[in-house]
This record gives sequence, C-alpha cells and structure tokens, in this order.
Amino acid sequence: DTAVSQTPKYLVTQMGNDKSIKCEQNLGHDTMYWYKQDSKKFLKIMFSYNNKELIINETVPNRFSPKSPDKAHLNLHINSLELGDSAVYFCASSQEVSNSPLHFGNGTRLTVT
Amino acid sequence: RKEVEQDPGPFNVPEGATVAFNCTYSNSASQSFFWYRQDCRKEPKLLMSVYSSGNEDGRFTAQLNRASQYISLLIRDSKLSDSATYLCVASGYSTLTFGKGTMLLVSP
Repeated sequence: DTAVSQTPKYLVTQMGNDKSIKCEQNLGHDTMYWYKQDSKKFLKIMFSYNNKELIINETVPNRFSPKSPDKAHLNLHINSLELGDSAVYFCASSQEVSNSPLHFGNGTRLTVT
Repeated sequence: RKEVEQDPGPFNVPEGATVAFNCTYSNSASQSFFWYRQDCRKEPKLLMSVYSSGNEDGRFTAQLNRASQYISLLIRDSKLSDSATYLCVASGYSTLTFGKGTMLLVSP
C-alpha cells in the first residue's frame, strides 16, 4: 500500500487557471507538509499542518491555499496560476513536527503554459 | 547564510570507489539530522538518520560534528545504483530543512 499518495502525478494547465492537488497518507502521522521543488532542484517548505492545524506558512503567495479536512489529508489549491508556479510539488508526512523523518509522496509535476 | 549547505557536485567516481559528502548547517539548535536520496524525477527517500555517535548502515556511514555544525556521508564500494542526488537535512524550528543536494555519478 502506498504510504503517501498524491494526485495527479502530472498537471499541465494554462496561466490564470485554478487547480488542486490532493494528498493522503495512511501512516497515521500527525503532521503533513507541502514542499515545492523548482527547476534548480531546491526543495522548499510551503506549508505544514499538525492535526489539521496550520503550523507553518512560509512566504508563499496567497494564491496557494492548503486545506486539511482531517489529519490524513492535506490538499493544495492554487488560484490564478502563473508561469513561475511550474515545479514539482511534494506532499509529505511525519510522526512529529520537526524531528521525525519525512515520508514523501511521488510528487505532482505542474507545468503552467 | 543558507540554512543547510552542500557542494552540488557532481561527484564522478568509478565503481568500487569510496566517496564522501559534507554538509554544513547554520541552526545550532538543530536536533535531528538525516540523509535522503533522490533519484531523477522521483521523490526524496530517507537513506539514514544521523546520530551523534555516528552510525553505519552497510556501505553507508554518517557522522555528525556538532561543534563544527557539519554532517558527513561516506559511501564505500560505490555501485552504479548509488548514482543519485543526496540531500542533507537538519531539523529547523518547526520543520526539516533540506540542502540543495549533492549529485553522485558512479561510472563503470
């Protein structure tokens, strides 16, 4: 069984559109994350939720809105997509905040044209 | 100063070689450290945790130097399948911070 699963795997869309990426983990972890990996391969934290509560919100445009309906799910909605949003978005989960290793989903490759 | 710094490489080594990567971190309060491996177009996967006393897992040895704030990864007897990007990770104030990774290319 897949531990952290995210969909879709690929997403190609035009500028200005709104899109969502879904993530689910079946590890029983309390904390979930969204990371962005850009073309330079730098993996940067965007958001972190612990038991459905937002605990990290890095400097991310407010066009990005995470939603956590329960602690096993953390979705990412992006409004008014821009070319610079093209990247790979990874969902991850961990047992604890900060000190536990992360388990990543297989990523969503977003291409904005 | 970047929080976690690594030499991006690439490190080109022949099969069977020993190769070492270093990584420095800026947050002296970091408590947990890890090495991840990321293959091309794949997600990062945990390679090993790094403990204060140093730890070994098969051909891989990780060490932590808190005084100098650096972490190392040693790979012995390199295999072709070791070719990947190795990410150094340190715990931050409320999450884990990743370095940009060091690329390793093992050739026949």
